Amino acid sequence: EVQLVESGGGLVKPGGSLRLSCAASDITFSSYSINWVRQAPGKGLEWVSSISSSGTYIYYTDSVKGRFTISRDFAKTSVYLQMNSLRADDTAVYYCARGSSGSGIVYFDYWGQGALVTVSS
Amino acid sequence: QSVLTQPPSVSGAPGQRVTISCTGSSSNIGAGYEVHWYQQLPGTAPKLLIYTNTNRPSGVPDRISGSKSGTSASLVISGLQAEDEADYYCQSYDSNLSGYVFGSGTKVTVL
Repeated sequence: EVQLVESGGGLVKPGGSLRLSCAASDITFSSYSINWVRQAPGKGLEWVSSISSSGTYIYYTDSVKGRFTISRDFAKTSVYLQMNSLRADDTAVYYCARGSSGSGIVYFDYWGQGALVTVSS
Repeated sequence: QSVLTQPPSVSGAPGQRVTISCTGSSSNIGAGYEVHWYQQLPGTAPKLLIYTNTNRPSGVPDRISGSKSGTSASLVISGLQAEDEADYYCQSYDSNLSGYVFGSGTKVTVL
């Protein structure tokens, strides 16, 4: 069974930084993209960032470009989201999710339990 | 503001059928990009319900089905059960935004 476990969430002041980790139990970790999806309190889902299986291709939603950096460590079967210059509207539960695809666009077939990030003074 | 529009809520009695629509545009669903659906029970992470328009992952009952036509997609839940009470989200890709997009979400209430 694939398991994804996020860690690193917490309370941070506006302008501060935080690094989220997503640890995967699956030995086929290197075969899949890993994605971050967030959910602000009482709101819907928002895709944040993706990193391809090889780590070569990286994508971000516009609102986090230049502030967030995604990376992956194959030896540790982990993916990280470095979040800098945090703003109040970054407050959300951040989920990491495995990306799979058949003949089309990626779908997120396994999700972690989520990590709460609160940006407040 | 989501680029994929869903009704905020739908409801039905046990055993009834409900349909959730997901309306997009020519830069996402209408461009031919596939649609996936997720179920989110209260206080839990989303769960994949339908992938690539119509396919059910292992363990998802066949009373749940998906379809896509033109710039829209639909999720149908037949034989509604209390355990179906949750939020449902569609997901696709948008070429204008160059990223994955989710629908605004629909809360299903079992009366």
